[in-house]
Amino acid sequence: DSGVTQTPKHLITATGQRVTLRCSPRSGDLSVYWYQQSLDQGLQFLIQYYNGEERAKGNILERFSAQQFPDLHSELNLSSLELGDSALYFCASSVGGGGNEQYFGPGTRLTVT
Amino acid sequence: ILNVEQSPQSLHVQEGDSTNFTCSFPSSNFYALHWYRWETAKSPEALFVMTLNGDEKKKGRISATLNTKEGYSYLYIKGSQPEDSATYLCAYFGNEKLTFGTGTRLTIIP
Repeated sequence: DSGVTQTPKHLITATGQRVTLRCSPRSGDLSVYWYQQSLDQGLQFLIQYYNGEERAKGNILERFSAQQFPDLHSELNLSSLELGDSALYFCASSVGGGGNEQYFGPGTRLTVT
Repeated sequence: ILNVEQSPQSLHVQEGDSTNFTCSFPSSNFYALHWYRWETAKSPEALFVMTLNGDEKKKGRISATLNTKEGYSYLYIKGSQPEDSATYLCAYFGNEKLTFGTGTRLTIIP
């Protein structure tokens, strides 16, 4: 158990809908990262927050947004969902920035039908 | 687009044998190189984070080396055991972003 929690574990929704994925980092970790893993691809970095502020952006679509709250939990919002958004979404946390090892949550499997 | 490449893509190794695989990454704007172990149906688990050229880290039977000047890292597993079966991911951290390779899938044959 990494200490990072993600909810929900599974999510099934229809195209065009909007969903919110939630992540609670390990106690003491200030950074939260979001990753997407689609069927034929490796882990794709989406976005990083550090202590409430956006720190780095990867291949995140404009339909997706995220935020980190004062209690350091983070939410990833996915809107106008398309079939291709079906993927496993991981959240990870670390003490500081990307030079520190990251602890991954169990992931949220999103299925868009 | 940053290229982080791992080879081989997959590997079958007899139990008890030692093995190694490679991660190559850009040598520019380098800050850190991560290795993760990812078992099926679980989450990636950190093995090592290395930052210095020539760095060598060890955890039990697993060790890793780093060459930042030529942009490669090796992961070694000594005396493979069935529980070593997993996908091993490396990730390059530079320009504030972590870019993962596609991994080496290791299967240990009992």
